[in-house]
Amino acid sequence: GAVVSQHPSRVICKSGTSVKIECRSLDFQATTMFWYRQFPKQSLMLMATSNEGSKATYEQGVEKDKFLINHASLTLSTLTVTSAHPEDSSFYICSARDRQGYHEKLFFGSGTQLSVL
Amino acid sequence: GESVGLHLPTLSVQEGDNSIINCAYSNSASDYFIWYKQESGKGPQFIIDIRSNMDKRQGQRVTVLLNKTVKHLSLQIAATQPGDSAVYFCAEKGSSFSEKLTFGTGTRLTIIP
Repeated sequence: GAVVSQHPSRVICKSGTSVKIECRSLDFQATTMFWYRQFPKQSLMLMATSNEGSKATYEQGVEKDKFLINHASLTLSTLTVTSAHPEDSSFYICSARDRQGYHEKLFFGSGTQLSVL
Repeated sequence: GESVGLHLPTLSVQEGDNSIINCAYSNSASDYFIWYKQESGKGPQFIIDIRSNMDKRQGQRVTVLLNKTVKHLSLQIAATQPGDSAVYFCAEKGSSFSEKLTFGTGTRLTIIP
């Protein structure tokens, strides 16, 4: 099945620094990728929709200047958390859509645990 | 706003027994539903999906039932195994024109050996 690779799996950074998370579709082209955020024991909350070659679409309440998304190719989207603060600590997950007939499967990356000190 | 929710946050089942996880959704326009399994520290894993023109779909040891009348979705896992222990999320796609998935709150399933 389709594989989505997400890196890094875990990152610890100091407050005020920026962190980049990569999401790659390994064996299919993904014109659309999605970025989610998940707090402990909670559900996934969609942050933004990343569209190849165009600007990302952010959900209400998500600061686009803080969470920079770049989808420069059909297999790579990046999320940069700028000037990270402790409240940005969370589990970030990307997904990519692969249309396969009946299925409109979203394949998820393995997630990135961000801890901001 | 529209939401997808689960009736039970936790569920414990004896190994070998069947389990049923329930999900209520509120968007009557939703046309596609998916169940995901998430293990600790990992991304969600696709289990099974169903379109709104069906009321039942079966996979290997799993069955999804959709009741559009009461906007209810369920996941049945047969002959549960320890490896089934995880958090299960239902998710809905609002319409054919929407690419977004809305996730429910999740149910933690624990299989008791």
